Amino acid sequence: GNSVTQMEGPVTLSEEAFLTINCTYTATGYPSLFWYVQYPGEGLQLLLKATKADDKGSNKGFEATYRKETTSFHLEKGSVQVSDSAVYFCALVSGNTPLVFGKGTRLSVIA
Amino acid sequence: GAVVSQHPSRVICKSGTSVKIECRSLDFQATTMFWYRQFPKQSLMLMATSNEGSKATYEQGVEKDKFLINHASLTLSTLTVTSAHPEDSSFYICSARGTVAGNQPQHFGDGTRLSIL
Repeated sequence: GNSVTQMEGPVTLSEEAFLTINCTYTATGYPSLFWYVQYPGEGLQLLLKATKADDKGSNKGFEATYRKETTSFHLEKGSVQVSDSAVYFCALVSGNTPLVFGKGTRLSVIA
Repeated sequence: GAVVSQHPSRVICKSGTSVKIECRSLDFQATTMFWYRQFPKQSLMLMATSNEGSKATYEQGVEKDKFLINHASLTLSTLTVTSAHPEDSSFYICSARGTVAGNQPQHFGDGTRLSIL
């Protein structure tokens, strides 16, 4: 079946540091890949997506590239801010099945 | 962009009360809606999938008589927690997906924090 594995947190960084959150997946067919962000006490927001191999999703300074050869979709940001503190979920969907989530990675950015 | 509205955002009630949570897609038609439960510092657990006009499909271990789901229109789904008890206290999040075929993202509501005393 489909599954997503992402690095366990928590991750604590200083402001302006470089961020990488690793995500790998297992899927049948041709999945689309997503990163969602959950701020404290809120629901999930779609951060970025990629629908086919070599696509790069980007939003708010975050980027992730769909790598089929390594089945990965790592999230990166060059310079994090305190306001980026949240939980980040990697997810995939293939066809009309529900999203399959990773376990989430909590990011804390300190000033 | 697409918006999903979930109401109420917070509920505190006594044990034995039934609680209804609404989920609306505001600017798109949602043929499929999903209900999740999230425990503190954990990922989302899918409870059920509902398609407009048909019965919901529940995940293993989720009591369908406890968690009643209605998806009567393309913009509204409701989750009713019947005779709630303290162990039902959790963060419930709905999600909706549109009618376009293919690998579509799901859009999420802001969640309902349910506290049963």
